Amino acid sequence: DTAVSQTPKYLVTQMGNDKSIKCEQNLGHDTMYWYKQDSKKFLKIMFSYNNKELIINETVPNRFSPKSPDKAHLNLHINSLELGDSAVYFCASSQPGVYGYTFGSGTRLTVV
Amino acid sequence: ELKVEQNPLFLSMQEGKNYTIYCNYSTTSDRLYWYRQDPGKSLESLFVLLSNGAVKQEGRLMASLDTKARLSTLHITAAVHDLSATYFCAVDKVNDMRFGAGTRLTVKP
Repeated sequence: DTAVSQTPKYLVTQMGNDKSIKCEQNLGHDTMYWYKQDSKKFLKIMFSYNNKELIINETVPNRFSPKSPDKAHLNLHINSLELGDSAVYFCASSQPGVYGYTFGSGTRLTVV
Repeated sequence: ELKVEQNPLFLSMQEGKNYTIYCNYSTTSDRLYWYRQDPGKSLESLFVLLSNGAVKQEGRLMASLDTKARLSTLHITAAVHDLSATYFCAVDKVNDMRFGAGTRLTVKP
């Protein structure tokens, strides 16, 4: 049973398209995150949600919109994709009082 | 803003040698983590350090934390090829984890 699962694993799409990445965790954690890892391996937090509420929204273009229908899911929708959006996107979850974040396996997004 | 600086960014070592990776952070923090990432893979948690003077060891890796200096180190003893990976330190302040740039470690025979 995968603790944090992301779909799809790979996504190749053309510039200007709209796409979504889905994330689900079965750990019962209250907090979920999206991180972006660029080609130089830099990991940057994009969003965090606690119990469906947005608590961190870093300087991310408005084209990125997270949606949390319930505390087990945090999806990422991206409008009007650009070449610079190509990266690996990681979903993660955590729980207060429990040390450590659990990361999904990542979604490699390639915009052509 | 919480900033995390890691060095070196690239490290090429021979098998059997020792080396240390350094991680500095800018503000007080709840927890410090070390992660390992293999190419094309996700992040694997190695250590969580919670308090000043904390030291943890697993195999050839040992991590320590000095909260007064805002410094953590990851020491590699007698490196082997299997340790080749990218190592990240990360600092967590309640639902907000920030990562260092990563150290890409290559261990050569």
